[in-house]
Amino acid sequence: GENVGLHLPTLSVQEGDNSIINCAYSNSASDYFIWYKQESGKGPQFIIDIRSNMDKRQGQRVTVLLNKTVKHLSLQIAATQPGDSAVYFCAESFGNEKLTFGTGTRLTIIP
Amino acid sequence: NAGVTQTPKFRILKIGQSMTLQCTQDMNHNYMYWYRQDPGMGLKLIYYSVGAGITDKGEVPNGYNVSRSTTEDFPLRLELAAPSQTSVYFCASSPPDGGTYGYTFGSGTRLTVV
Repeated sequence: GENVGLHLPTLSVQEGDNSIINCAYSNSASDYFIWYKQESGKGPQFIIDIRSNMDKRQGQRVTVLLNKTVKHLSLQIAATQPGDSAVYFCAESFGNEKLTFGTGTRLTIIP
Repeated sequence: NAGVTQTPKFRILKIGQSMTLQCTQDMNHNYMYWYRQDPGMGLKLIYYSVGAGITDKGEVPNGYNVSRSTTEDFPLRLELAAPSQTSVYFCASSPPDGGTYGYTFGSGTRLTVV
């Protein structure tokens, strides 16, 4: 069936550096994508989203890139801080259907 | 706004016991969802509801039941707890076009079945 997956289960980044978290999706019809951040012991929190009619969207220190040709989504976090340490999930949907979540990548910021 | 509130935060059950995980939201969202998250894994949809009186099965509904008598509340019932149900349970809600605006999650209920 269709699923959303991540290339790397863990990622360690030096504080102050930029980090890139990747996500592969298999449903070429998906038209909405979200990145969630989940800190230890908490529920997922919305970070940024992007629709399929866009290639790039920027937020505060975060940028999401969408490459529909290869069905790839990435989350870039600039100037990482200790508070960025968390598990990051991508999610996709088609139309107004329910979101499908990926497995997640654990990002660790090294002081 | 409290958002999505889940209770309890932690619970230990013995095999065969039953319990209800509570979820309430104050955002007047029509759609509500229950997910489970096993260690090191992603979120799997158990049940969802598109409005009061309407519920549907998700990916992993076996062993669970839900009801939706009001817009605000969406309790999840475990009738005969099994070790395989040890997990963290998250409730979420969204507006009707939730697939296009994302979900708001609660802080989770950590359940251990022994």
